[in-house]
Amino acid sequence: DIQMTQSPSSLSASVGDRVTITCRASQTISSYLNWYQQKPGKAPKLLISAASSLQSGVPSRFSGSGSGTDFTLTISSLQPEDFATYCCQQSYSRPPTFGQGTKVEIK
Amino acid sequence: QVQLVQSGAEVKKPGASVKVSCKASGYSFTSYYMHWVRQAPGQGLEWMGIIDPRGDRTSYAQKFQGRVTMTRDTSTSTVYMELSSLRSEDTAVYYCARAPYSNSDYFDYWGQGTLVTVSS
Repeated sequence: DIQMTQSPSSLSASVGDRVTITCRASQTISSYLNWYQQKPGKAPKLLISAASSLQSGVPSRFSGSGSGTDFTLTISSLQPEDFATYCCQQSYSRPPTFGQGTKVEIK
Repeated sequence: QVQLVQSGAEVKKPGASVKVSCKASGYSFTSYYMHWVRQAPGQGLEWMGIIDPRGDRTSYAQKFQGRVTMTRDTSTSTVYMELSSLRSEDTAVYYCARAPYSNSDYFDYWGQGTLVTVSS
């Protein structure tokens, strides 16, 4: 199985900050990388697919980049509703696997 | 709008089975594969398997082979996930999640989750 490793596991930031989360795959996955946002007690929400394709309705302050093994999720200006856990997931080969998550907390 | 509505929370004893349902609406049920993903308390997400609603074809994670069965009822646009021989480590929230196209392995819509608690 492909291992997905995120860093950091948690971070504290203020409203308006630029936030960057990284995700590394244990082998190349081309651009088959997806990002989800999860709030406590809720189901994950798809933010970005195929490494950089923003889903309909997702604010443009979210962006994704990368290919191969290294990927990045960036929030350009953190908003109060963005405090949540973010998780990457590879869809290159079955079984699909997830990173352990990055919790974004209020500073 | 697309909605996936799951059945309610369950409490089971070790060794028992649980069957969780996921009723789809707002789209053509047989046009999209459905996955099941679980999340143990405080843990990450874990993929369990996928079902093709057109023909009942399935593919399961090796970890769950022999213990999980995914089925569908096209007359009610509902998919089911049954997990047997439950143990305490199966305590988790179980989600159904739709594949956005064909047999893709990512998830554009999710159910609200069903908490399954395994305890003696």
